[in-house]
Amino acid sequence: DGGITQSPKYLFRKEGQNVTLSCEQNLNHDAMYWYRQDPGQGLRLIYYSQIVNDFQKGDIAEGYSVSREKKESFPLTVTSAQKNPTAFYLCASTIGAGNQPQHFGDGTRLSIL
Amino acid sequence: DQQVKQNSPSLSVQEGRISILNCDYTNSMFDYFLWYKKYPAEGPTFLISISSIKDKNEDGRFTVFLNKSAKHLSLHIVPSQPGDSAVYFCARRGSGSEKLVFGKGTKLTVNP
Repeated sequence: DGGITQSPKYLFRKEGQNVTLSCEQNLNHDAMYWYRQDPGQGLRLIYYSQIVNDFQKGDIAEGYSVSREKKESFPLTVTSAQKNPTAFYLCASTIGAGNQPQHFGDGTRLSIL
Repeated sequence: DQQVKQNSPSLSVQEGRISILNCDYTNSMFDYFLWYKKYPAEGPTFLISISSIKDKNEDGRFTVFLNKSAKHLSLHIVPSQPGDSAVYFCARRGSGSEKLVFGKGTKLTVNP
């Protein structure tokens, strides 16, 4: 079945370390997105990419970095510059044209040790 | 500036009754609205959407209404079922943009 796979489900990081969250999709979607969800909050956009080798900052990009070397993959790195990294991270993708909904993975919960 | 507002953090209804979830927006330059359903520790699941050229869209038990003059969006679930218990997010996409902006969500509880 086609879908979006995020791994790992749970991730722990020591302060001062960078950590990379994986997102892979086999839907042949052009656009991919990273969101962050905090308790009682909606989803906030971190980064998005509409095409391979191109990406744009979202509303809360500080302390994060991404790459889009392949259409299927859009990894997110949470750097040590992100002061409050504990959150639920969601990856999404969409075909990128017309009124099509974004489809989401099941998320990665990142916690600081 | 939160451009999409869900003012009710929670809603409780009886099984079989109608659930009405509301969403207001503050900017008229949106062309596409969506509703997502989310269970704990899972990603949101797309439910239903509506384009700004319409005022109603229906899919089974789910109907979305768009009142452009009031800048108001609502999701009706009829009849409500216990499995509908989840957090519901409304989202909008602006004209010429692929970005979605989400509300903070409403937690729906359907009691048996």
